Amino acid sequence: GDSVTQMEGPVTLSEEAFLTINCTYTATGYPSLFWYVQYPGEGLQLLLKATKADDKGSNKGFEATYRKETTSFHLEKGSVQVSDSAVYFCALSLNNAGNMLTFGGGTRLMVKP
Amino acid sequence: DGGITQSPKYLFRKEGQNVTLSCEQNLNHDAMYWYRQDPGQGLRLIYYSQIVNDFQKGDIAEGYSVSREKKESFPLTVTSAQKNPTAFYLCASSIWGPDSYNEQFFGPGTRLTVL
Repeated sequence: GDSVTQMEGPVTLSEEAFLTINCTYTATGYPSLFWYVQYPGEGLQLLLKATKADDKGSNKGFEATYRKETTSFHLEKGSVQVSDSAVYFCALSLNNAGNMLTFGGGTRLMVKP
Repeated sequence: DGGITQSPKYLFRKEGQNVTLSCEQNLNHDAMYWYRQDPGQGLRLIYYSQIVNDFQKGDIAEGYSVSREKKESFPLTVTSAQKNPTAFYLCASSIWGPDSYNEQFFGPGTRLTVL
């Protein structure tokens, strides 16, 4: 079946460090890929998305590139801030499946001043 | 402002009681979803609805029930049959269609604690 695998956290970084959160997927078709962010005690917010191979999603300094050859969608940010501390979820959605999302397990990011 | 509201934010229940969580959206979305999130874990789908008066079981529907009488509303009832109901519950909505690129919009969540 379809699945999303994320690196386990927590990921602890100092402010201004470079961030990478790995995400790989298994899908029977050609999915759209998403990164959602969840701040403490809140719901999920869409951070960025990519709908076809080689697309790059970007928002708030975060980027992720849809790599079909490696079935990956790694999240990166060049310089993290304390306010980026949150849980990050990678997810996929397939054509002809409506907008059903398959989520990864989430990765907690903690940024220290 | 358009969005999704969930109430209450915190809910306490005694064992053996049913409890209903509210979810309302004014985004004119056809599809609505309920997820359960346990500490340190991802989201698991409980129920979803593509259209009014229709809904489908997700991966962990046992012990839960829903209704979809209005497009804007998708309440979730946690019944006494749910053995471990303490969790964070998230409601979401989206456009429903064959394309995969439409995002889901999430509410702020309800934290349910069984005493």
